Amino acid sequence: AQSVTQPDIHITVSEGASLELRCNYSYGATPYLFWYVQSPGQGLQLLLKYFSGDTLVQGIKGFEAEFKRSQSSFNLRKPSVHWSDAAEYFCAVGSILTGGGNKLTFGTGTQLKVEL
Amino acid sequence: SQTIHQWPATLVQPVGSPLSLECTVEGTSNPNLYWYRQAAGRGLQLLFYSVGIGQISSEVPQNLSASRPQDRQFILSSKKLLLSDSGFYLCAWSSPRRDSSPLHFGNGTRLTVT
Repeated sequence: AQSVTQPDIHITVSEGASLELRCNYSYGATPYLFWYVQSPGQGLQLLLKYFSGDTLVQGIKGFEAEFKRSQSSFNLRKPSVHWSDAAEYFCAVGSILTGGGNKLTFGTGTQLKVEL
Repeated sequence: SQTIHQWPATLVQPVGSPLSLECTVEGTSNPNLYWYRQAAGRGLQLLFYSVGIGQISSEVPQNLSASRPQDRQFILSSKKLLLSDSGFYLCAWSSPRRDSSPLHFGNGTRLTVT
């Protein structure tokens, strides 16, 4: 069965510093991978997705992620963090459900705090 | 463009009372629909999904049920709530294609069972 590990529960960075959030997945086939962001009390917003092709994918809000098959990783990066980036970030791996539909298996999330 | 509406945003219910959470999607036809529950520090757990009207699949056994009375309407229900049903419930939709299209989430319902 697929699984996702986000080893960092909390991360604090200074505004303007670079950011890397770690994500490791376990999946038997070529994975579909996603990063979502959640502000307090809100739903999840899709940041970016990887299906195939170029292993470096660009997303919204200046985020990017790199798929590394050899390391089973899909880390999220941003060169310069803004205070508005403070939120919880979820990595997810997708799989096809029996009978159709897609299942996203999520990690437990990383809470990002930005110091001014 | 597609939008997803979920209500209510917040709900406080006593143990043993019934529950009905509603989700509707606009701007797309025959979407896949999902109910997830989010518990603190535990990520998101898929509860139910549906690929068409009247079709419901359950991922985990529980005190809840789901229904899809219309193409773009998804309802989460319970006859008698338990304390353990407290949590943040998220509805989502995805493209009806079989490949792993991303899910698009509503703003969620915070349910507190007292």
